[in-house]
Amino acid sequence: GAVVSQHPSWVICKSGTSVKIECRSLDFQATTMFWYRQFPKQSLMLMATSNEGSKATYEQGVEKDKFLINHASLTLSTLTVTSAHPEDSSFYICSARQTSGRAPETQYFGPGTRLLVL
Amino acid sequence: KQEVTQIPAALSVPEGENLVLNCSFTDSAIYNLQWFRQDPGKGLTSLLLIQSSQREQTSGRLNASLDKSSGRSTLYIAASQPGDSATYLCAVNQGGSEKLVFGKGTKLTVNP
Repeated sequence: GAVVSQHPSWVICKSGTSVKIECRSLDFQATTMFWYRQFPKQSLMLMATSNEGSKATYEQGVEKDKFLINHASLTLSTLTVTSAHPEDSSFYICSARQTSGRAPETQYFGPGTRLLVL
Repeated sequence: KQEVTQIPAALSVPEGENLVLNCSFTDSAIYNLQWFRQDPGKGLTSLLLIQSSQREQTSGRLNASLDKSSGRSTLYIAASQPGDSATYLCAVNQGGSEKLVFGKGTKLTVNP
């Protein structure tokens, strides 16, 4: 149980286009989902916290108008990278926290989406 | 600002060896600490979670310890196997906010 999926797993796009990444909790409800970014040989860095039905909370230095987050249901959050540029090329990983359960503080991570902007 | 450091950055050992991975954090006011495994190009798999009130957690060949006052945690892997080859990440959860602060990881290679 507690499986999180991401789609797509790979994206290659031209500079200036927008890319949408989906994060789904497959077998549990997730009130809260988190979006992370990982550059090569760097730590995972939290970008934003997404709460179902409300606006996302962005970390300092993350542009909310560039990285649009929508958490419309208890099983789906989307991250849209608007007008992507080469510097946005990274590995994007989401995680989901179970709404209920023995270990509500546990985050379950998706497999990640690798974005390459040409 | 919480900072998490993992040493060494990379480690290569022969199969069967016992090994220790280190994690240190600057702010001891943590809610819990987790060790994750990340395979190349993949997401994270949670290995062990230690609450701030706990000293250690064990799962199979893995044992994680936590010394909150000194800001340190170790992950002990017994009788390492080639399948253990991966990057191991340490992350601290600050005060129940659920925000995880990650280290850069230790890349482990277990040679057959």
